[in-house]
Amino acid sequence: KAGVTQTPRYLIKTRGQQVTLSCSPISGHRSVSWYQQTPGQGLQFLFEYFSETQRNKGNFPGRFSGRQFSNSRSEMNVSTLELGDSALYLCASSQGTTFPRELFFGEGSRLTVL
Amino acid sequence: QQPVQSPQAVILREGEDAVINCSSSKALYSVHWYRQKHGEAPVFLMILLKGGEQMRHEKISASFNEKKQQSSLYLTASQLSYSGTYFCGTETGNTPLVFGKGTRLSVIA
Repeated sequence: KAGVTQTPRYLIKTRGQQVTLSCSPISGHRSVSWYQQTPGQGLQFLFEYFSETQRNKGNFPGRFSGRQFSNSRSEMNVSTLELGDSALYLCASSQGTTFPRELFFGEGSRLTVL
Repeated sequence: QQPVQSPQAVILREGEDAVINCSSSKALYSVHWYRQKHGEAPVFLMILLKGGEQMRHEKISASFNEKKQQSSLYLTASQLSYSGTYFCGTETGNTPLVFGKGTRLSVIA
């Protein structure tokens, strides 16, 4: 069974640009969550999608957005990039939304903003 | 609200034991533990539920003190493979999993 796949794995952007990251969950998983990981801050929750609907959103500015497609694949977009957006962006999938639930993480997309 | 983990970092020699703590100011429904090795995805270790029993994963066990809203991860007879960053994640209800800042564990020969 294939795991969570994130693309691209690494990318470099400059301030002011925008970026789109992609996540393919484990087959059969309908819930996708996104986290931002930075040194010293741990994993900060961005948003969660289930059946193409955003269920929860973390405390991030509106420059961060996401969506989920009918095949459960998800994308997140960051517009007007800032230096502080440099981070590892992790996607995690789970079968459903009822708690407690085990999250399966991808290896992440490492974004560097210059 | 982000749970608080302690210590932030710990160095062990093979065979030594360690305890990592995770505490929250909110009433918790569950506590999750994940381990992330350098350059890899976080991997699920175990879930502790309110009212549930202590859990184990190989030589790693954990407990959940509902009164204190605190969980502890016990690493016994540590191995080199235990090195990594350990995260606790907490659920307070039907809310997203909120993670602590992590505890970096280094096991040396």
